[in-house]
Amino acid sequence: DTAVSQTPKYLVTQMGNDKSIKCEQNLGHDTMYWYKQDSKKFLKIMFSYNNKELIINETVPNRFSPKSPDKAHLNLHINSLELGDSAVYFCASSQGPSPNEQFFGPGTRLTVL
Amino acid sequence: SQQGEEDPQALSIQEGENATMNCSYKTSINNLQWYRQNSGRGLVHLILIRSNEREKHSGRLRVTLDTSKKSSSLLITASRAADTASYFCATALTGANSKLTFGKGITLSVRP
Repeated sequence: DTAVSQTPKYLVTQMGNDKSIKCEQNLGHDTMYWYKQDSKKFLKIMFSYNNKELIINETVPNRFSPKSPDKAHLNLHINSLELGDSAVYFCASSQGPSPNEQFFGPGTRLTVL
Repeated sequence: SQQGEEDPQALSIQEGENATMNCSYKTSINNLQWYRQNSGRGLVHLILIRSNEREKHSGRLRVTLDTSKKSSSLLITASRAADTASYFCATALTGANSKLTFGKGITLSVRP
C-alpha cells in the first residue's frame, strides 16, 4: 500500500554511464515532482509534471530527462553521469499543480564513482 | 538565494521539553509548509499554513505565521525521542504551477 514508490533505492555506477530511476504513485494525484537532495540536505526541485505535461523545469543540465508515460508514473533518465550527480533523488506527488501538501517517495541514493 | 531559511541549524533537547524552530523567508507567499525527514527516509508533510492564517495546531505541533515579519515557527510540545529528525520549512509563492522552495533544514535531537 506504498503511496509513492521509487526504484532502485540505491544506485552505484561509474562516471559516463546512463541510468534511470522510476517513480510510481497510487494516490490518484495529478502532479509529480523530482527533487535532488545534496550531501548538506539541501532539497531542490528539478522537474514537475501535471497530467503528463511538464510544468516546472528548473535549471537542470539537459543530461537529465524526465518522462511521464501516465499521470501515475514519472521516471528520470540521466545520461553521461558525473561525480556531481551523486545525491539522493526524491520523487513526490500532490493533488493538483498548486502548492499543496506533497507526498514523498523513500528516495534513491545515487553514487557516481 | 533560498526562499526559506531555518533557525537554528541544530537543536538538542531533553525528552519532554518543547522544541521551537524558526523559518524566515524573503518574498510574499501563498502558504508555508513544514516537513519532517527521518534519517534515510523521504520527507513527511506535517502542516500547511496559508498566508491569511496566523496559527495552526496539529496534535503536539503548533505553527505560527507572521507575514509582516516574513517568518514562521514550529513548536513541538512534550518532545519524544521519536521526534529526532530533520525539519524543513517550504514556501509556496502565489500563482499557478508555483513550486515549493525548501530551506536547509533543522536537525533536532531529542535525548531520552
